[in-house]
Amino acid sequence: TQLLEQSPQFLSIQEGENLTVYCNSSSVFSSLQWYRQEPGEGPVLLVTVVTGGEVKKLKRLTFQFGDARKDSSLHITAAQPGDTGLYLCAGERDSNYQLIWGAGTKLIIKP
Amino acid sequence: DAGITQSPRHKVTETGTPVTLRCHQTENHRYMYWYRQDPGHGLRLIHYSYGVKDTDKGEVSDGYSVSRSKTEDFLLTLESATSSQTSVYFCAISFGQGGQFFGPGTRLTVL
Repeated sequence: TQLLEQSPQFLSIQEGENLTVYCNSSSVFSSLQWYRQEPGEGPVLLVTVVTGGEVKKLKRLTFQFGDARKDSSLHITAAQPGDTGLYLCAGERDSNYQLIWGAGTKLIIKP
Repeated sequence: DAGITQSPRHKVTETGTPVTLRCHQTENHRYMYWYRQDPGHGLRLIHYSYGVKDTDKGEVSDGYSVSRSKTEDFLLTLESATSSQTSVYFCAISFGQGGQFFGPGTRLTVL
């Protein structure tokens, strides 16, 4: 059972376009994290959001945590080829800092 | 950056043989995790540890065991490897709500 639904699963767009990736659940999370993974490497943490309604910005990337702490979105403005990668969301729900993972969004930005 | 290494980085083995993967951290963190990553499934937790000799099962623990005799080392053992255990295995440490930091991964092929 996939407790965190990520959409879309795959996205291929032209450089300069905007995009949004969604991470949805029926469960409440104490925090929601976004990671980016490149081929042959482990995921790398981009951001952690903790408070309902929280918005964090990382250059052209904007992350938002839903008011009810059940969902999150990642918006990229003016995408660049360097943004290409697998984007993963993960929710923290239990003790021991265990994470529930989405299946990922594979993003390709074409020059 | 967190110092996490995994060994070996690549391994090919035959069905029925035992295999041990090693994760080593230099950060003295309490929480360590073993995941497997397969296409379409994202990251799935195999086992985790919350201290020396303190371990617990994740969602896909069947066929795997772990040991943690020192803070810095977390070992994952496949007692009798099967083809379904062909995967990429990642070790991670937790900084609490600050997120998880991943090793470079081990690509395991069971023939």
